[in-house]
Amino acid sequence: AQSVTQLGSHVSVSEGALVLLRCNYSSSVPPYLFWYVQYPNQGLQLLLKYTTGATLVKGINGFEAEFKKSETSFHLTKPSAHMSDAAEYFCAVTGTASKLTFGTGTRLQVTL
Amino acid sequence: DSGVTQTPKHLITATGQRVTLRCSPRSGDLSVYWYQQSLDQGLQFLIQYYNGEERAKGNILERFSAQQFPDLHSELNLSSLELGDSALYFCASSGRWGGNTEAFFGQGTRLTVV
Repeated sequence: AQSVTQLGSHVSVSEGALVLLRCNYSSSVPPYLFWYVQYPNQGLQLLLKYTTGATLVKGINGFEAEFKKSETSFHLTKPSAHMSDAAEYFCAVTGTASKLTFGTGTRLQVTL
Repeated sequence: DSGVTQTPKHLITATGQRVTLRCSPRSGDLSVYWYQQSLDQGLQFLIQYYNGEERAKGNILERFSAQQFPDLHSELNLSSLELGDSALYFCASSGRWGGNTEAFFGQGTRLTVV
């Protein structure tokens, strides 16, 4: 079985500041990890994914995440926040099957 | 545009009624998933079909059922609707079976039960 914990339901950063959204996972099998973004009244869009190989994964819109097995973490970062990054972000995990188990989401607010 | 099409976008219906949500996957994708997003439950996996066959079942109520047709489109049927069924229902599709497969999501159907 898999589960995901996202720390912080709301995160607020200033434009240009570092974005750090936290995700910890639990999995009984080697996990595949995903970050999705949801803009208001929109579906979910994949930002990045970790399957195997390089543990630092780069995604769209300047986001990246690092898979740390020892810490069971997959935190999402972006060096410099932009107003357009304001959205809800979901971390998700799969195992051998392809159904996604989502975290509860983190709403990112970007202020001037 | 993810290539996944869901209809209708919005649906308002009364308690006790039955509705059908429709999903057309991306061209060539064999796998279709249904998810429910609500304020109290978050994003929950309901059910998955792969090439017409049910492959995985999640927290889907007995009042809900789904199927995938030979042309690979899928329908989610919700019956005896209750106020608590009000939610955003997403369909997603993927090309392969396996945990490392990326799923593409539609824009969702917002169901309001009154």
